[in-house]
Amino acid sequence: DTEVTQTPKHLVMGMTNKKSLKCEQHMGHRAMYWYKQKAKKPPELMFVYSYEKLSINESVPSRFSPECPNSSLLNLHLHALQPEDSALYLCASSQYREQPQHFGDGTRLSIL
Amino acid sequence: GESVGLHLPTLSVQEGDNSIINCAYSNSASDYFIWYKQESGKGPQFIIDIRSNMDKRQGQRVTVLLNKTVKHLSLQIAATQPGDSAVYFCAENAASGGSYIPTFGRGTSLIVHP
Repeated sequence: DTEVTQTPKHLVMGMTNKKSLKCEQHMGHRAMYWYKQKAKKPPELMFVYSYEKLSINESVPSRFSPECPNSSLLNLHLHALQPEDSALYLCASSQYREQPQHFGDGTRLSIL
Repeated sequence: GESVGLHLPTLSVQEGDNSIINCAYSNSASDYFIWYKQESGKGPQFIIDIRSNMDKRQGQRVTVLLNKTVKHLSLQIAATQPGDSAVYFCAENAASGGSYIPTFGRGTSLIVHP
């Protein structure tokens, strides 16, 4: 069982829909991350939150909107996505800096 | 831009053999390295890490070697088992503008034959 919980596990949505991905951790970690992973590729960093503040945005399109309501929760709001946005979206957390990241099992997103 | 890469995309071994997975990195500012294992349908799982002030670190059946001179990282798995079959990623971490950016390498698929 993973200590980082992501919901939903699977999501199918149309290009005009609005949906949200959720991530939760109760390890007291102060850094949280969103990654996008295409098949047979490494995870690509999208956003980093440090102490609930957005510290890194890796030039992600505005149709992806992150939110960190508190130190345990991380959301990714989706709107007007494109078919190429279909991927596995991974959430991770770490104690910060030189500490390994703990990953959830991801949300498999399909855009119709 | 600078990135982490791997020499071999696929490695096939027999059960009981030792496996060596390699990783090259190019960012000289990277000071913390991690190996992850990703099984099908799951997120990456931490295996072992090493800081730049070390050359070698050992865990249970795994050893990570770091050669800063040639910017090379390797993961050695002793007595490889079928359960070790997965994709292995190295990740480097470097400070950037007050934050710490993790970058994953390309990945190596390890296939263990019984």
